[in-house]
Amino acid sequence: QVQLQESGPGLVKPSQTLSLTCTVSGGSIYSGSYYWNWIRQPAGKGLEWIGRLYTSGSTIYNPSLESRLTISVDTSKNQFSLKLKSVTAADTAMYYCARASWNDGWVFDYWGQGTLVTVSS
Amino acid sequence: EIVLTQSPGTLSLSPGERATLSCRASQSVSSTYLAWYQQKPGQAPRLLIYGASSRATGIPDRFSGSGSGTDFTLTIGRLEPEDFAVYFCQQYDRSSTWTFGQGTKVEIK
Repeated sequence: QVQLQESGPGLVKPSQTLSLTCTVSGGSIYSGSYYWNWIRQPAGKGLEWIGRLYTSGSTIYNPSLESRLTISVDTSKNQFSLKLKSVTAADTAMYYCARASWNDGWVFDYWGQGTLVTVSS
Repeated sequence: EIVLTQSPGTLSLSPGERATLSCRASQSVSSTYLAWYQQKPGQAPRLLIYGASSRATGIPDRFSGSGSGTDFTLTIGRLEPEDFAVYFCQQYDRSSTWTFGQGTKVEIK
């Protein structure tokens, strides 16, 4: 059973960089045809796809965030990470990591429990 | 970018009633890449339906999906107490990006 777990600071100051890590267990991040994703959700609002990493290391980002965003992989730790720079209060949200599987039409079949990030001074 | 618009925003129903949720796309979506998720308070979303009409593993058969092109529907045949939640539709497109609808909340009347 694949499990994902987000980790990182819960509070980030405006203009600084938000950094989160997703640790994958129960399977290798390099096994199979999967995309590894970040998704966020402001309190009481909808879901916003942030970006994705393929096992080759290639990335695609949400155009609205692309200029501030980096998603990368750490092969030795079976983890992938998110860095979002120059944050503002609008970046306050629950951040989820999730796996997308091609088997069922690139749906998000496994999710982390989420980590709340607040941008505030 | 394909925009997904869900309606209604809130659906107030009683247990045992039938729920019909709509998801309309701003341009045609391949049914292969249309999915529905359920989210309960404090939890991550859970995959319900993929390929517009296929139930994910472990999803009861009271949940069904239908539609094509720009109009898709999630139907809950008879609402159980655990079905009161927020539901999101989601699409994946040829530019390898995903978008979600804004959600429909199914609440107890």
